[in-house]
Amino acid sequence: DTEVTQTPKHLVMGMTNKKSLKCEQHMGHRAMYWYKQKAKKPPELMFVYSYEKLSINESVPSRFSPECPNSSLLNLHLHALQPEDSALYLCASSQDETGEWSQPQHFGDGTRLSIL
Amino acid sequence: DQQVKQNSPSLSVQEGRISILNCDYTNSMFDYFLWYKKYPAEGPTFLISISSIKDKNEDGRFTVFLNKSAKHLSLHIVPSQPGDSAVYFCAASDGTSGGGADGLTFGKGTHLIIQP
Repeated sequence: DTEVTQTPKHLVMGMTNKKSLKCEQHMGHRAMYWYKQKAKKPPELMFVYSYEKLSINESVPSRFSPECPNSSLLNLHLHALQPEDSALYLCASSQDETGEWSQPQHFGDGTRLSIL
Repeated sequence: DQQVKQNSPSLSVQEGRISILNCDYTNSMFDYFLWYKKYPAEGPTFLISISSIKDKNEDGRFTVFLNKSAKHLSLHIVPSQPGDSAVYFCAASDGTSGGGADGLTFGKGTHLIIQP
């Protein structure tokens, strides 16, 4: 069982809809991540939050808007998406200790998003 | 340009034998390497990692070897079991955040099939 929980598991939305993806972890991790994975491709980094502050934005279009309300929660707000945005969206978390070696990221099972 | 390469899309191994999955990278700034296992409809599951100061790390049936001069790493699974059948992703990070909150760059994955 994954310790990173993502909801919903599946989402179908039209191009004019507004929806949000949610991610929750209770491992005390202070770094959280969003990745996008298209079919037959590897996951690609979208955003990184460190101690609830956005630290990396990989030039993601503004129709994707991340939010980190607290250290356990990560949201991805979606608005005016395009059909090519259909993909599996993965959330991950890891410990984040400045000056320490990197720690592994633990992933949720993802939200399968389809844009009509 | 792919910075992490897994050149074998698939690998078939007999149950009980050794599985060897390979990964090459081009970015000399990468200093932390991970292997993930992924079943369909699930998120990647962390298996084992290695930092650039080591050349080997073992965890049960899994061993990762790192050859920095060749920019090559490999995952050995001994003995291979039917439950090991999955897609295996190699991933790397470059430690530029100064702590643990660095995004991962993934290879395209290798589909390992364990034959009874």
